[in-house]
Amino acid sequence: RKEVEQDPGPFNVPEGATVAFNCTYSNSASQSFFWYRQDCRKEPKLLMSVYSSGNEDGRFTAQLNRASQYISLLIRDSKLSDSATYLCVVKRSTASKLTFGTGTRLQVTL
Amino acid sequence: DAGVIQSPRHEVTEMGQEVTLRCKPISGHNSLFWYRQTMMRGLELLIYFNNNVPIDDSGMPEDRFSAKMPNASFSTLKIQPSEPRDSAVYFCASSFWTSGDNEQFFGPGTRLTVL
Repeated sequence: RKEVEQDPGPFNVPEGATVAFNCTYSNSASQSFFWYRQDCRKEPKLLMSVYSSGNEDGRFTAQLNRASQYISLLIRDSKLSDSATYLCVVKRSTASKLTFGTGTRLQVTL
Repeated sequence: DAGVIQSPRHEVTEMGQEVTLRCKPISGHNSLFWYRQTMMRGLELLIYFNNNVPIDDSGMPEDRFSAKMPNASFSTLKIQPSEPRDSAVYFCASSFWTSGDNEQFFGPGTRLTVL
């Protein structure tokens, strides 16, 4: 079983829609969680960290459920520019190493 | 400010040839990571360094792969001999490591094709 699992998609949504992605992780010792965004043929970039109490950054909301070991990302009022692959990322401890999911592809259309 | 710099951006080589990928981390960062990304396996960590010392190389596929970090501003990933299954995008990333969470900044990647 992969340490971090995501639905690969693609999720095709119209502009203005709300879309949500989930991600599950297998190691209960995981301590830190992130969402990275990767545009086509570009490098991954940090979108947001995920905190236990849930956190919001503009149209983006991230939530963590430690009991069920899943992380979610909600995007409200989708824009064409949100089209990208969203990578769920988990970190086990204070060490540097990150484990990436294979990503969920989002395509926002007119 | 310059981000993480990788060279070459594209490399096409023939099976059996040696390939050397290069990375210059962001100045002041003390952790450096080498990743490989393929459609099938996603983004995989190959090896990472803290303060120029290799910490975890468990992701290095086999002895054909080696990585060095001779100083804080330069690292190489070498594949010798290369095989077609090594074709992938190789990313280098750097961060300033402390005990907390620190963002990793990725370079633009090297797209490697082994024929």
